[in-house]
Amino acid sequence: DTGVSQDPRHKITKRGQNVTFRCDPISEHNRLYWYRQTLGQGPEFLTYFQNEAQLEKSRLLSDRFSAERPKGSFSTLEIQRTEQGDSAMYLCASSLVVAGRQETQYFGPGTRLLVL
Amino acid sequence: ILNVEQSPQSLHVQEGDSTNFTCSFPSSNFYALHWYRWETAKSPEALFVMTLNGDEKKKGRISATLNTKEGYSYLYIKGSQPEDSATYLCAFVGDTGFQKLVFGTGTRLLVSP
Repeated sequence: DTGVSQDPRHKITKRGQNVTFRCDPISEHNRLYWYRQTLGQGPEFLTYFQNEAQLEKSRLLSDRFSAERPKGSFSTLEIQRTEQGDSAMYLCASSLVVAGRQETQYFGPGTRLLVL
Repeated sequence: ILNVEQSPQSLHVQEGDSTNFTCSFPSSNFYALHWYRWETAKSPEALFVMTLNGDEKKKGRISATLNTKEGYSYLYIKGSQPEDSATYLCAFVGDTGFQKLVFGTGTRLLVSP
């Protein structure tokens, strides 16, 4: 399967714990996005990478959140000192940006986080 | 604040019915409109990327139209099948310089046999 993969698919943690999610994009894709979906809402943009550079972060991304994409391949999203409000589906998407062409973002299946 | 709205929120139809949903988005600073289908426990699947006013796209029994001047897009499903049951999401892309998707809340479709 050459699609976007995410690990783990589900995570239950206690408030105050740290969690880390991983996203493996489609191999030749140069852009990687993170989105978050809470109950009853559509996915909301968190941050994105162009190769290894993190170029934009949403105001939704508090100081407790950090994302990396070392070597421009897989990405990790870490949440420190989790809060119940962090409970959500975390989605990763990747795309290949070619100048002058509208990109399609391909999504992974998401990591569902529940903070107790 | 960008507002992307979808209606209806949910829809229950019988197999063989045709149906349509609406996505409303800002008509200014438009760059593109995406449609996704998201089945439970699966990845959201890209259906269409639409960029030009008057665009019409088709994929099997599913088609979409785009009106950028008035800020809406319609998604049509002809002869719904139970496997069409999913949440259909539209996402607006503005001309911000990078292609952040701004999603609506989705239309949840249930097709009964």
